[in-house]
Amino acid sequence: DIQMTQSPSSLSASIGDRVTITCRTSQIVRTYVNWYQQKPGKAPNLLIWTTSNLHSGVPSRFSGSGSGTDFTLTITSLQPEDSATYYCQQSYTTPITFGQGTRLEIK
Amino acid sequence: EVHLVESGGGLVQPGGSLRLSCAASGFSLSDYWMQWVRQSPGKGLMWVSRLSGDGSDAAYADSVRGRFTVSRDNAKNTLYLEMNSLRDEDTAVYYCGRGCFSNSGGCVGYWGQGTLVTVSS
Repeated sequence: DIQMTQSPSSLSASIGDRVTITCRTSQIVRTYVNWYQQKPGKAPNLLIWTTSNLHSGVPSRFSGSGSGTDFTLTITSLQPEDSATYYCQQSYTTPITFGQGTRLEIK
Repeated sequence: EVHLVESGGGLVQPGGSLRLSCAASGFSLSDYWMQWVRQSPGKGLMWVSRLSGDGSDAAYADSVRGRFTVSRDNAKNTLYLEMNSLRDEDTAVYYCGRGCFSNSGGCVGYWGQGTLVTVSS
């Protein structure tokens, strides 16, 4: 199985900050990395698909990049509503796997 | 508008069975891969299963293979997850999800609200 290692596992940042979350895959997954946001008690929401494509309706302060085995989710100009847990996912092969999550707290 | 509504969750004893349903609207199930993803209390997301639009290609996580079966009824536009031989560790909120686009077998573009399955004696 492809392991997805996210870092950090949690972080705290201020409104207006730039935040970066990384995801390292245990094997090459081409561009098949997706990013999700989940708020407590809610279903996840897709943010980024295949590394860098912004899902419909997602604010442009979210962006994704990466290649090989290292991928990044960046949030520029952090907003209060960005407080959530973020997950990366590889959809290159089954079993599809998720990272363990990064909890983002707004100071 | 895409809408997914799961149902069928509940309390079941270890070794028991449940069938989850996911009613879809706003699109045709036959045009998309569909997924089941679960989340145990306080834990992260775990992929469970996926099924192709024509129903010919199914895949499962190792921990559920042989116990869970995914299927669909395109006439009813509904996805199912038949769960047998349930274990304590299957306790989770189960989400169904639609592929991001018509040939996407992994990315989940739309999610239901989830249904809670509790396995306990």
